[in-house]
Amino acid sequence: DTAVSQTPKYLVTQMGNDKSIKCEQNLGHDTMYWYKQDSKKFLKIMFSYNNKELIINETVPNRFSPKSPDKAHLNLHINSLELGDSAVYFCASSQVGQGPYEQYFGPGTRLTVT
Amino acid sequence: DAKTTQPPSMDCAEGRAANLPCNHSTISGNEYVYWYRQIHSQGPQYIIHGLKNNETNEMASLIITEDRKSSTLILPHATLRDTAVYYCIVRAAKAAGNKLTFGGGTRVLVKP
Repeated sequence: DTAVSQTPKYLVTQMGNDKSIKCEQNLGHDTMYWYKQDSKKFLKIMFSYNNKELIINETVPNRFSPKSPDKAHLNLHINSLELGDSAVYFCASSQVGQGPYEQYFGPGTRLTVT
Repeated sequence: DAKTTQPPSMDCAEGRAANLPCNHSTISGNEYVYWYRQIHSQGPQYIIHGLKNNETNEMASLIITEDRKSSTLILPHATLRDTAVYYCIVRAAKAAGNKLTFGGGTRVLVKP
């Protein structure tokens, strides 16, 4: 059973296109995240959603719009793709409460913009 | 969140213990030490976390110094599959947005 799944695994597209990446978790967690890992391998938080509400938006361009239809899903829609958007995008989830709960990551989506 | 310092890389012999150091001299009293690893092309994987006491699970042990300014992740019997980038992260249990701030990590190469 896959805990955090993402689709697609690979995405190749041209500049200016609009694309979406989907994420689903079956762990019953109430918080989901999107991270970006660039070519230099640095992992950075982009968004955090708790119970379908946006908690963190780390200076991400408006072209990126996360959407959480329910607690188990957090999709990432990207408008007008640019070359600099090429990266690996990881979805993650965790439970947030009194404890220092760990985050579970998906396998990643490698986005290549040409 | 407190900043951490890790060596950029280290080698380890298969079957031997791997000791991965992490400095976090500015850690606050309510901040935990987390370790994650990222095997090539995969998503980060949680390993272990601790506050003050040493911790052990099926993957590793975490030794935190008494002053909490540094810690060591121990992989007791490293295997080739432990080759990965290991990240030490310090964060409060209820950090804003619960985000993880990744540094450069330590690239560990386990050699036969």
